[in-house]
Parts: sequence; structure tokens; C-alpha cells
Amino acid sequence: KAGVTQTPRYLIKTRGQQVTLSCSPISGHRSVSWYQQTPGQGLQFLFEYFSETQRNKGNFPGRFSGRQFSNSRSEMNVSTLELGDSALYLCASSLERESSPLHFGNGTRLTVT
Amino acid sequence: ILNVEQSPQSLHVQEGDSTNFTCSFPSSNFYALHWYRWETAKSPEALFVMTLNGDEKKKGRISATLNTKEGYSYLYIKGSQPEDSATYLCAFNYATNAGKSTFGDGTTLTVKP
Repeated sequence: KAGVTQTPRYLIKTRGQQVTLSCSPISGHRSVSWYQQTPGQGLQFLFEYFSETQRNKGNFPGRFSGRQFSNSRSEMNVSTLELGDSALYLCASSLERESSPLHFGNGTRLTVT
Repeated sequence: ILNVEQSPQSLHVQEGDSTNFTCSFPSSNFYALHWYRWETAKSPEALFVMTLNGDEKKKGRISATLNTKEGYSYLYIKGSQPEDSATYLCAFNYATNAGKSTFGDGTTLTVKP
């Protein structure tokens, strides 16, 4: 079974630009979560999608948004990039049950200059 | 405790030593507690999920216990090996928001040969 796939792996953007990150979950997983990790910080929860609906949202500004498609693939968008958005963005998928473990992708390393 | 806290932040042990670390979480509104291992240049990998007070899980030399009444979980590694070197993360799910995992900052374990 293929794992969680995130694209691209690396991205360099300029302040003010916008970026879209993509995540393909494990086949059969309908829940997709996004996390941000910055240097010295743990994994910060961005949002969780289930069956194309945002079910949970973290404490991030409205510049961070996402969506999920009918095939469970998810995209995350960050508009008006700031230097502080430089981070590793991890996507994770899981089965329907809330106690199911998360299966993570390899992440997208975003650098904002 | 309002958030998930892990201690110690880092740990250096010799090969063959046994070690343990702690995850503390809110004792009310508990749904599930997860442990993950995150090796350098890889993605986080699920170790255990525990949902019941008194749960004990074991995988090889690694085991975990759960006390939901006092809000803590211990992860034990018996006879540490260099390949156990990684960051160990715990994640807590609230009963009222079970689809969202809140992560601690992790304990980074280094095992010296």
C-alpha cells in the first residue's frame, strides 16, 4: 500500500507570494490533517479534513486555508507569505475512527525569503 | 495541565541502558493518547495508541503505560540501541474534539554506541 505522498518536497518562495501544497493520503483513509513544524517548536495543528469538510481547525490566521477533494486528496494554501511561514509542513492521513494513528508524509519544506 | 508536556527535552544514554520518558496531558476530557517515533530525515511513525486507563502496550523493547486519572503516560525503552535514536512524540486527543491530535514538543533520545 502506498504511503502518504506530499508534493513538492522543497519550495522557495518570496514574501507576499502564495503557495499551494498537496497531499495524497493512504488509499481508504478519509481523514487528512496538516501540521506545521518550525525550528524549536513541536508539531502545530493547522486543520483536519474529513469527507471534504473541515472538521477541526488550529489557531492559525486566515491566510492558511485548505480543502479536500472527493478522492480524499488535500491541498493547503498559504497566501501573502511571511518570513515566519518558513517551516516543514506535514500532512497525515488516518482511518475514520478518531483513535486511529496518524500516518505522515515526508513533508514539504517551505522557505520564504 | 492544559497542554501536552513531555520530559525530558533530550536524553543521552549509552548503548544497553534502559530509559524512560514522560508525557503529561489534561486528565479530564480524555479520548486517546498516541506515541510516535520520528527519526532524522524520515516522517513520524506511530508506535502505540492507548485509550483506556491502565493500558500497557509493548512492541519489542519498547513499551508504554497510561494513567488517564492523573494524566500521564510513560514510554520505556529496554536495552537502548543506536537505532533507537530519534525524537519520541506523544499526542493527545480530547473527547470533545477527537479528530484533532495535540502534540508535545517531544523527547530527543541519543544512544551512544
